[in-house]
Amino acid sequence: KQEVTQIPAALSVPEGENLVLNCSFTDSAIYNLQWFRQDPGKGLTSLLLIQSSQREQTSGRLNASLDKSSGRSTLYIAASQPGDSATYLCAVNTGGFKTIFGAGTRLFVKA
Amino acid sequence: DTGVSQNPRHKITKRGQNVTFRCDPISEHNRLYWYRQTLGQGPEFLTYFQNEAQLEKSRLLSDRFSAERPKGSFSTLEIQRTEQGDSAMYLCASSFNLIGTGESTGELFFGEGSRLTVL
Repeated sequence: KQEVTQIPAALSVPEGENLVLNCSFTDSAIYNLQWFRQDPGKGLTSLLLIQSSQREQTSGRLNASLDKSSGRSTLYIAASQPGDSATYLCAVNTGGFKTIFGAGTRLFVKA
Repeated sequence: DTGVSQNPRHKITKRGQNVTFRCDPISEHNRLYWYRQTLGQGPEFLTYFQNEAQLEKSRLLSDRFSAERPKGSFSTLEIQRTEQGDSAMYLCASSFNLIGTGESTGELFFGEGSRLTVL
């Protein structure tokens, strides 16, 4: 059974700092991995999608990496801003319809 | 295309009442999913449709829950005889998946969710 864990559960950093959010999964047989952002009381916004054949994806100040063999993905945020404050969720697609989510990392960027 | 749309955004109801949520997916997407999210947790899968066919339901979906996607476009999720434990955010997502592969290759796009509070 696929399980997705995100560490840390919460993180507070000063503005301008580079940071890394971690996601681990128990079964390396995945189809893709997706990172989302969720603001309080809102839906999920897709940030990056990494297919299983890819090692990383980049969008602006965000970079996500995937290491299937070790069951890990990281989301790197460069030069953090207060507007980056949100919950970041990692989701693993195991094939077919199943996508398993982690509980998220709550990020707070202090001005 | 304005993305995935859900309504109502908020619903407060008394225990025992029925509620219905609607989801309008991105128009060219053939898959539609319903998830439930409680505070501090990630979304949990409830059910999904490939076009108009409901192909999978989670054990979380008791017989008080029913979902439809009558013409392969919008979907409704109905909860009958609501209980306080049904209080949660109900999220709809859609994706485009290649027919015949049986695999989900597409990126998930979520709506803003429908928050249910059962008193």
